[in-house]
Amino acid sequence: DTGVSQDPRHKITKRGQNVTFRCDPISEHNRLYWYRQTLGQGPEFLTYFQNEAQLEKSRLLSDRFSAERPKGSFSTLEIQRTEQGDSAMYLCASSHPGGEQFFGPGTRLTVL
Amino acid sequence: GESVGLHLPTLSVQEGDNSIINCAYSNSASDYFIWYKQESGKGPQFIIDIRSNMDKRQGQRVTVLLNKTVKHLSLQIAATQPGDSAVYFCAERSDSSYKLIFGSGTRLLVRP
Repeated sequence: DTGVSQDPRHKITKRGQNVTFRCDPISEHNRLYWYRQTLGQGPEFLTYFQNEAQLEKSRLLSDRFSAERPKGSFSTLEIQRTEQGDSAMYLCASSHPGGEQFFGPGTRLTVL
Repeated sequence: GESVGLHLPTLSVQEGDNSIINCAYSNSASDYFIWYKQESGKGPQFIIDIRSNMDKRQGQRVTVLLNKTVKHLSLQIAATQPGDSAVYFCAERSDSSYKLIFGSGTRLLVRP
């Protein structure tokens, strides 16, 4: 499969715990994006990378959220001290510059 | 699988009929518009796009219409099939920012 992959697909955690999600983009894509989607809503932009550089961050990305793409390939999104309001689907997408964004299957986070 | 959206507007059509899904976008400065299809438990899947200097674009069984005067986008699906059942989102972006801004979705149900 040469599409965008995300791991894990589902994560259940207790409030206050830290969680980390991984995204592997399509290999030749140098742009990588993170979005969050809650039930009944469209995805909301969180942040994006061009190669290893994080070029844009949404104000939705509070201090508890951090994203990295250390080698310009895979990316991780970490949420510290999770809150119930963090429960959502976290989507990753990748693209060529100016090209269409291809989305992964998402990681469903449930914070108890 | 989980539901993408529990309280979305729903369009119900008979198999074989044509479907029209509408979207009002927010930013008159957006340069690029995309329609995505999202099935339960999956990430959004690209369907068709259109740039702001066009008013119509056709794909295989799908047509996108753009009316910049009233900031309206529509997706027409010809000869709707059961496999078209999903939630459909429009998205917009400007060339100065590669983040996608998604509209509210529409659930399409195809009756056999």
